[in-house]
Amino acid sequence: GAVVSQHPSRVICKSGTSVKIECRSLDFQATTMFWYRQFPKQSLMLMATSNEGSKATYEQGVEKDKFLINHASLTLSTLTVTSAHPEDSSFYICSARDPRVGSDTQYFGPGTRLTVL
Amino acid sequence: GENVEQHPSTLSVQEGDSAVIKCTYSDSASNYFPWYKQELGKRPQLIIDIRSNVGEKKDQRIAVTLNKTAKHFSLHITETQPEDSAVYFCAASRKTSYDKVIFGPGTSLSVIP
Repeated sequence: GAVVSQHPSRVICKSGTSVKIECRSLDFQATTMFWYRQFPKQSLMLMATSNEGSKATYEQGVEKDKFLINHASLTLSTLTVTSAHPEDSSFYICSARDPRVGSDTQYFGPGTRLTVL
Repeated sequence: GENVEQHPSTLSVQEGDSAVIKCTYSDSASNYFPWYKQELGKRPQLIIDIRSNVGEKKDQRIAVTLNKTAKHFSLHITETQPEDSAVYFCAASRKTSYDKVIFGPGTSLSVIP
């Protein structure tokens, strides 16, 4: 199946700093990617839909100025957590659908574990 | 928007028994229903999916049923094994590459040897 990578896998930062997470589709082009956040023992909560060449669509309650999303190419979307605080510590996972004909499976990246001290 | 509910939140079964997880969805336009298995600290893995034009799908020990009228769908795992222990998520979406997938809250399945 299609492959989605994510970098870094783990990051620890100090409160107030910004962290960038990259999501790449390795063998297909994704005009749309999705960013999820998962707190311990909870479900995946959709944060935003990343659209190549245009602004991201954020879910209700997600601060767009805090979680900056850039989808500058068909294979790369980035999520920047600005002025991170301990409550932002979470598992961030991206996903993308392979748009080729007949394929609607969503492929997930391996996730990024963010810890804000 | 879409809302997906899932029951039970935890499920414990003896090895060899069957496990059933049930979900409901709210958006009548949803037409694609995947199920994911997630082990601790790892990404969700698709285990089976069903589209709205069929009522049942089976893959070895795993089967999924869909009732569009009632907006219900269920996951059935037969002959459970300890390696089936994980968190299972149902999800719903419209079947296009740009439509978001909404997850249920998850079921933690424990298979006791």
